Parts: sequence; structure tokens; C-alpha cells
Amino acid sequence: QKEVEQNSGPLSVPEGAIASLNCTYSDRVSQSFFWYRQYSGKSPELIMSIYSNGDKEDGRFTAQLNKASQYVSLLIRDSQPSDSATYLCAVRRGGSYIPTFGRGTSLIVHP
Amino acid sequence: KAGVTQTPRYLIKTRGQQVTLSCSPISGHRSVSWYQQTPGQGLQFLFEYFSETQRNKGNFPGRFSGRQFSNSRSEMNVSTLELGDSALYLCASISGQGDYDTQYFGPGTRLTVL
Repeated sequence: QKEVEQNSGPLSVPEGAIASLNCTYSDRVSQSFFWYRQYSGKSPELIMSIYSNGDKEDGRFTAQLNKASQYVSLLIRDSQPSDSATYLCAVRRGGSYIPTFGRGTSLIVHP
Repeated sequence: KAGVTQTPRYLIKTRGQQVTLSCSPISGHRSVSWYQQTPGQGLQFLFEYFSETQRNKGNFPGRFSGRQFSNSRSEMNVSTLELGDSALYLCASISGQGDYDTQYFGPGTRLTVL
């Protein structure tokens, strides 16, 4: 059973639209949640971390966490072609040093 | 602060050879983790080091080993290379903030085994 699940996509959205990326996890004692962006051929780059239920906003990005339903999402407002990448969700349980990564969702923003 | 550095960036080896990859974490970070990333398996955890001690280990064969030095720089070694070891090897520098620990990845080393 996969511990962190993401739809592999690709998710295709038009420029200027809101892209919604979702991630579910199975470990109920997970406490830390991360979103990374990875361009093709590059390494993952941290976008946001979230630790409490609710929304966390940073520029065009909003992370949403619902621990009761065991999901975390990433919204990208005013999507740009430069946002086209694979987005990795990572989840870490309390007391652990190492997060578990999902396989990532490929996002394509077309002009 | 300078970011995570990894050397070399690209490597081509043949089966049976061994390889050593190097990682220097962000200044002040004392923990590093290593991952293997392949298209088929995604990001897979290799091991994590803190203050020169291996603190966590993933499910990889003994051909994969690592170490950390007193200056927090880390190396990983793969012996008796196999074709399936071709991958992007990523080092992550860990911020050391307890429950708020965050991993910052280096640019990676692209290893090709022929």
C-alpha cells in the first residue's frame, strides 16, 4: 500500500487558471507536509511546508491541509507556463526525520 | 547562504565499477540524506546521516554505503555497479529544526551505468 498518493497526471490547465494538485496519505500520525516542484532534469525545489490544518498562502501558492481527511493540496493561482513541472508531495510522521514522497503530479500550463 | 553542492554533476561508468558521490550541505546544517530517483520508482530514500552517524537507512543492498565527515560533508559509494543503478542521486541538507525539519535538495548527480 502506497503511503503517499498523488495522481500522476498530466494535469493540463490554461494560462491564468487555478491549478489544483492533491495528495493523500495513509499515516494518521503525519505531522509535517511539504510540496516540492521539480523541473525536468532538475532537482526538487521546496515550495511550501505546512504543519497545521487550514490554508497557508505564499504568493500565488496556497497549501491546504486537512488531517482528519488525510489530504493536502496545493493551489497555484494565475498559472504560468513556467509552472509546468512535476509537483512532489512529501509527508513526515511525528518523530521521524525522513519524509515519504509521493510519485508526483505532472502539471502542464498551456498558453 | 550557499546552497547544497554535489559533485560530480554527471558520471558515466561501466558495470562492475564503483563510484563515489560527494555532497556538501548548507552551512550550519548537520544532517544530510541521500535519495535515488528513477522514472520507474520515483524518489527512494537511501540513508540519512547526522553528526557523522547513520541515523536512518532505506531498503537498498549493501553495495550502497555512505559516510559523513566532521565538517558535515557526506559521501555515498556504490560498488559493483549494475545497469539498474543508473539514476539521479540527490542529496538533501536538513535544517535541524526538530518538528520543523526541512529538506533542501542539491542539484543531483546523474549517474549512467553502461
